[in-house]
Order: sequence, then structure tokens, then C-alpha cells
Amino acid sequence: DVKVTQSSRYLVKRTGEKVFLECVQDMDHENMFWYRQDPGLGLRLIYFSYDVKMKEKGDIPEGYSVSREKKERFSLILESASTNQTSMYLCASSSSETQYFGPGTRLLVL
Amino acid sequence: GQSLEQPSEVTAVEGAIVQINCTYQTSGFYGLSWYQQHDGGAPTFLSYNALDGLEETGRFSSFLSRSDSYGYLLLQELQMKDSASYFCAVRDGTGNTPLVFGKGTRLSVIA
Repeated sequence: DVKVTQSSRYLVKRTGEKVFLECVQDMDHENMFWYRQDPGLGLRLIYFSYDVKMKEKGDIPEGYSVSREKKERFSLILESASTNQTSMYLCASSSSETQYFGPGTRLLVL
Repeated sequence: GQSLEQPSEVTAVEGAIVQINCTYQTSGFYGLSWYQQHDGGAPTFLSYNALDGLEETGRFSSFLSRSDSYGYLLLQELQMKDSASYFCAVRDGTGNTPLVFGKGTRLSVIA
């Protein structure tokens, strides 16, 4: 079974803090993605990566950065967390048409 | 740009059949996918259509008409556990182009 894991299920941070969200997949997938999910807005792509050290901006990259130093790991970084970044963050990986999602991290920024 | 339209909510009775429609506007088209997400859970892959026609997987079927930029997910013999959100997604390019997701349809199955 494909497994995508995320470092935390729930996270509470203060405005201005630097936040790291980690994602690891165990299926040697080339492609990895970070989405945020908000009620009524569906899944919005923040960043994606199709190879180690490669990254591409998605639809809403502002306020975020990413790091992919190893094939299995894709990190999302909030340089200075703001309250409007309170959301559910979902990581996914794929090597074909199917995307496999992690369980999500629900981030609350106070 | 790209856009996908699907109903925000659908309610159906246990044992019945329900169809969730999805229309899309993309610059290119390389397939329509459907994902299911239960409350508190992660989206999981249900089906993928690259060509016109109906694909059946157990109680779930997915249909695509490329000429109409339209597809649907058909759920038969509805069960309470089918209550979830359903997302259509399209890929508008080859290779590493990511999926674009619709906003999701909340399906409520009632007794």
C-alpha cells in the first residue's frame, strides 16, 4: 500500500512564527504536491515538485516556500505565519494518474 | 484559465442511485478523475477517464464526454458510508502537469 505521511495532524502556531510541515512518501514517486483545503474552496495547489530539488508554483504560492532535498520528502514552509494561513494542508504524491494523499495537517495560526 | 463546475450539495436516499456532474473548461485535456473524501479524512482516488464512455468499478461508474467537456460519477445502491465529498479533477497537460480540482460535491445519504 502506498503510504503518505505528514508530520502532524494538528498544529497551533502564533502569528509571525516560521512553520514547517513535513511530508514523506514511501513509493518512490517522482511527483509531490502541497494543497490547502478550505470550506467552499476545494483543494488549491500551493506548490509541486516533479524531482529532487525541483519546485513549481501552484495557484496560491504567496507566503509559502518548499524544499525537496530527497525524493521521498517534500516540506512546506510558512516563512512568517499569518492568521489567513489557518487551514487544512494536504500533501500528495503520484507517479501516474493517481494521486495519493496524506492524512492532512490542520493548522491554526493565532 | 481552467475551471470545473460541480454541484455543491446532493442528497439521496439509501439504496437509490445518484449522479454527480462535472463540467470543465481547460486549455488542454488529458483525463478526468474522481476522488472521494470522508469528513476528517484524506481524498482517495475513485476513477479515471481518458476516453469517452463509461468506466465501471463495482457500485461506482464514471462517464466522460470530451466533446461536451462533461463527465459524471454515478453511485448505485447507495449506502450510508457513501456520505462524503466527491471531487472531479482534470489534467490539462501531459507529463508533470498537476491536477486541477473542482470545489467538491457534498453527498448526504439519508435513510
